[in-house]
Amino acid sequence: ETGVTQTPRHLVMGMTNKKSLKCEQHLGHNAMYWYKQSAKKPLELMFVYNFKEQTENNSVPSRFSPECPNSSHLFLHLHTLQPEDSALYLCASSQDNPRTSGANEQFFGPGTRLTVL
Amino acid sequence: AQTVTQSQPEMSVQEAETVTLSCTYDTSESDYYLFWYKQPPSRQMILVIRQEAYKQQNATENRFSVNFQKAAKSFSLKISDSQLGDAAMYFCAYRGSLGSARQLTFGSGTQLTVLP
Repeated sequence: ETGVTQTPRHLVMGMTNKKSLKCEQHLGHNAMYWYKQSAKKPLELMFVYNFKEQTENNSVPSRFSPECPNSSHLFLHLHTLQPEDSALYLCASSQDNPRTSGANEQFFGPGTRLTVL
Repeated sequence: AQTVTQSQPEMSVQEAETVTLSCTYDTSESDYYLFWYKQPPSRQMILVIRQEAYKQQNATENRFSVNFQKAAKSFSLKISDSQLGDAAMYFCAYRGSLGSARQLTFGSGTQLTVLP
């Protein structure tokens, strides 16, 4: 496997279900990200993990719970979601060092298409 | 807060022709990075080209080039000799150098159709 992988690619869940999205990066990066992509809207940054520590949480509802057990894996745990949470969820990774300049390009996974019924 | 604006929700171009996608941004920083990402129907977002704000020379990657106008805060993407495989959603993105601005801020995207 190379790059950034995400599983599952498609997920349909009811509002009372609990599910998890998984992301794995094979690039040796130290930062990982969750984005939400809804139709007709810009990508919304949800969470950032740098060196396994959460550094950003952009006012995301508590029904989304991230977990980063190591620098290669990132999970998004979902529970009691709403229909408006249906979207494409993208994971990305980058090599990030706040003390140095650099574009720190983000590499994206293929996404998980989530439908909440 | 930084904002990125793509004013063209949809664009189309004839195969082999040239098309320019527009992007403007708002920032108070002087040191930052700009990116164009491509998201084809397969959904995998890939980087097309990037520009460092401190560089005056416009970035070029094969058929893709940018027109970076720092004073005007404009960052357009030119695709030359368009190919069918260029059809995708294109996102302009900004990354600052300080604090939370170091995260990517995306525009709303431009859907590019390439006509045979």
